[in-house]
Amino acid sequence: EAGVTQFPSHSVIEKGQTVTLRCDPISGHDNLYWYRRVMGKEIKFLLHFVKESKQDESGMPNNRFLAERTGGTYSTLKVQPAELEDSGVYFCASSQVNDRGGNTIYFGEGSWLTVV
Amino acid sequence: QQQVKQSPQSLIVQKGGISIINCAYENTAFDYFPWYQQFPGKGPALLIAIRPDVSEKKEGRFTISFNKSAKQFSLHIMDSQPGDSATYFCAALQRGAGSYQLTFGKGTKLSVIP
Repeated sequence: EAGVTQFPSHSVIEKGQTVTLRCDPISGHDNLYWYRRVMGKEIKFLLHFVKESKQDESGMPNNRFLAERTGGTYSTLKVQPAELEDSGVYFCASSQVNDRGGNTIYFGEGSWLTVV
Repeated sequence: QQQVKQSPQSLIVQKGGISIINCAYENTAFDYFPWYQQFPGKGPALLIAIRPDVSEKKEGRFTISFNKSAKQFSLHIMDSQPGDSATYFCAALQRGAGSYQLTFGKGTKLSVIP
């Protein structure tokens, strides 16, 4: 079974440009999350989708970030325009709540973004 | 405001020794405490997790000790092996209104030397 896949794995863009990150969750997982780790800091929550709906977007830093999950399958995270402080690794994760209420969250390998 | 504080930042342990990583939290609404293991170039992978109604959980060489009154929990790796060398993150989850938001510590880079 394929895990959470993210694309691109690495991206270098100039300040002011736009970058779109893509995440394919584990098949059948309704929950999809975006997290990011800025250099030297902890991994921080950005938002949580349940199917195509945004359940919690309290971690989105500002309106330069736009996340979508059309059709409840894959998700995209767009940064427009990118700023230097957006550099870091962006993790996507997915999960499915089981019959006992358990909810193991599986992470992708991350998309490394460098803004120069 | 850092809600989950993790220490040490880095740790060097001899093969066969015990690795201990500590975390402290502030939010008493947290109700699930996982530990993640991350190898270079990979994403964090769930290693072991504990709920606050349990004081200890053991899975193989990995043990979580949980002290609810002190709001602290720790990961113990017994008989540490070079293959355990990775970055370890503690985390805490607060479930509310259908949201599952993990709050992470800053991570501990563990190096196990032969």
